[in-house]
Order: sequence, then C-alpha cells, then structure tokens
Amino acid sequence: AQSVTQLGSHVSVSEGALVLLRCNYSSSVPPYLFWYVQYPNQGLQLLLKYTTGATLVKGINGFEAEFKKSETSFHLTKPSAHMSDAAEYFCAVSGSGTYKYIFGTGTRLKVLA
Amino acid sequence: KAGVTQTPRYLIKTRGQQVTLSCSPISGHRSVSWYQQTPGQGLQFLFEYFSETQRNKGNFPGRFSGRQFSNSRSEMNVSTLELGDSALYLCASSSQGVENTEAFFGQGTRLTVV
Repeated sequence: AQSVTQLGSHVSVSEGALVLLRCNYSSSVPPYLFWYVQYPNQGLQLLLKYTTGATLVKGINGFEAEFKKSETSFHLTKPSAHMSDAAEYFCAVSGSGTYKYIFGTGTRLKVLA
Repeated sequence: KAGVTQTPRYLIKTRGQQVTLSCSPISGHRSVSWYQQTPGQGLQFLFEYFSETQRNKGNFPGRFSGRQFSNSRSEMNVSTLELGDSALYLCASSSQGVENTEAFFGQGTRLTVV
C-alpha cells in the first residue's frame, strides 16, 4: 500500500524567503514521486517528478526536491519565494506502470509582501 | 499541442439525477485517469483506463462508472446523485512509455449537487 503525508496544511513565508514544503511517503514498491501545484479553480500542474536516477530533482519555476529513501521523504524547496508562488501544493506517489496517484492532503502556501 | 480538455467546466444537478462528464486527452495519450477533489477528502482516485480497459479502480460506490473510447476520449458517469458528490472532478492523461511519465491534468469539471 502507498500513502503520502504532507506536514502543514498552511505555510506562510515572506517574499524572498526560503520555501520548504514537507512530504513523507510510504510505499511497498519503489516509488515514483511527484509535486503538483494548483491555482484557484484550475487543474494540477506538474512541478517536478522523481522516477529513478538522480535524487535531487529540479523542476519548473525554481523549485527542486530531494528524494531521501532512508527518510522516506521528498521535500519541496525554493530558495526565494515570489508572490506568484502562492497556491496549493500536492505531493503524490505512484508505482511503476500505473497512473493511480495517491495524493497528500495538500499545503496551501501564502507569500507575504 | 492542446492540453487535456474537460467538458463542461461547471454543472449544477439535482439530487437523484445522473450526470456524464467528458474528458479529451492530449493527442497520442492512451491512458486516462479520473480524480475527485473535495475540501474534506482531498484528491481521491476514481479510475484509470488504458486502451479502453479499466486498469485500476478506486474505492467509490458503484454509482460511479466510467469508460474509454477507441479514440482515448473518456467519460465518467455518476448516477443517483447525492449532495456529497459535489466536487471538482479532474481528468488526467498520460502517454504509455517504458518509464512512468507524469499525468497531465485538465482544468476540471465543477459539479454542484443541490
């Protein structure tokens, strides 16, 4: 079975500050991990993904995440927050050969001027 | 390249009615999956289709059904609507490659049951 836990349903950061959104997963098979962003009344947009290979993954808009198997974590970071980063962020896990994603409960990011 | 298209974007139905939602995947994508998003339950997997075959099904009652056509377009149907079915329904399409690739999501259909 697979599951995802996102710590912190709401995170506030100042503009220009570090963004850190936490994601821990549980998986009985090698996981594929994803971060998606959702703006109000929109669908989900992929930020980055980990399948195999390099554990530090770079995505769009300056975001990156590091897969740490020993900690079963896949935290999302961005060095400097921008007002446009305000949105809801979802971590998801799937197994090989399926597009059945298990999503975390989401973290709403607020960026303060 | 056009993205995933979901129609309609908004829908209001009465309790007890049935509804059909449509999803047109990205050209060339053969896998379509559906998710329900609500404030209380978050994003929950409904079904996954590949080449007209249901490959996975989530933990939803039999009132929720879906299908995929030979052109990869997909529909989902909810019969005997309940107030709790009010949600954003998201469709995602994916290409079927050797390595698992990401799912591309549509903008969703907002269903309100009154």
